[in-house]
Amino acid sequence: EIVLTQSPGTLSLSPGERATLSCRASQSVSNNYLAWYQQKPGQAPRLLIYDASSRATGIPDRFSGSGSGTDFTLTINRLEPEDFAVYFCQQYGSSPRTFGQGTKVEIK
Amino acid sequence: QVQLVESGGNLVKPGGSLRLSCAASGFTFSDYYMSWIRQAPGKGLEWLSYISPSSRYTNYADSVKGRFTISRDNAKNTLYLQMNSLRAEDTAVYFCARSPAYSYGDHWGQGTLVTVSS
Repeated sequence: EIVLTQSPGTLSLSPGERATLSCRASQSVSNNYLAWYQQKPGQAPRLLIYDASSRATGIPDRFSGSGSGTDFTLTINRLEPEDFAVYFCQQYGSSPRTFGQGTKVEIK
Repeated sequence: QVQLVESGGNLVKPGGSLRLSCAASGFTFSDYYMSWIRQAPGKGLEWLSYISPSSRYTNYADSVKGRFTISRDNAKNTLYLQMNSLRAEDTAVYFCARSPAYSYGDHWGQGTLVTVSS
C-alpha cells in the first residue's frame, strides 16, 4: 500500500499569499496518477487536480499541481477567502487507492 | 448536472447491519465506475470499495472485506453498500463518488452518517 504524507499539517497564510502544499508518496506513483481535493467543513471533497497537473472542470487557474514519482505539490496562487479549507491528495496508480492525511490552510 | 444523493445512514448497534444507497442523476450511470469512501469524525478519507459499470469487477479495502458488499442497479441509477457485522470503528460519514475508470472521485455526494454504538 502506498502511504501518502502531506506537509505541513497546517499552513497559516493571509489572503493574496501563495500556498504551497506537499504530498510525498512512500513509493513511486504509477503514471503520476495523483489527485488533489479541497474539503470545507460539513461538505464533500471537491476534485481540484487529477493526473498530478490537470485541473478539473471549473477549477480556477490559481490552483496548479506539479510533481512526479514520489513528490507532488499543490500550489494556490493569490489565496482567496474561499480557499481556506483542508486539502487532501490521493493516489490511484495502485490498489488500494489511498489518501494523504490532509493539510489545513487557515487564515493567519 | 451530476448529482449524487446518499441515504440510509443511521445509528446501529455493534454487530448490526445497514444498507446505504446512492441515487445518481445527470449522467449516464451505467457508463461509470462508482466508489464508496468514508471519513471518520475529524479524520481523513478512506477508500472502501469500487464497482465497475457492469458490476463485473469489485474491490474492497482490507478493513471492510468480507463484511461490506457493493452493488448497483443500473436500471434504477442507484449504488448500494450493504454493511454487515458493523463495529464502532465503522462510525463515519459515507460518501459515494463517481470514479472515471476507477481512478479519482470527480463528483461526490453530500454523505450519510453511520454511527455504530450500543
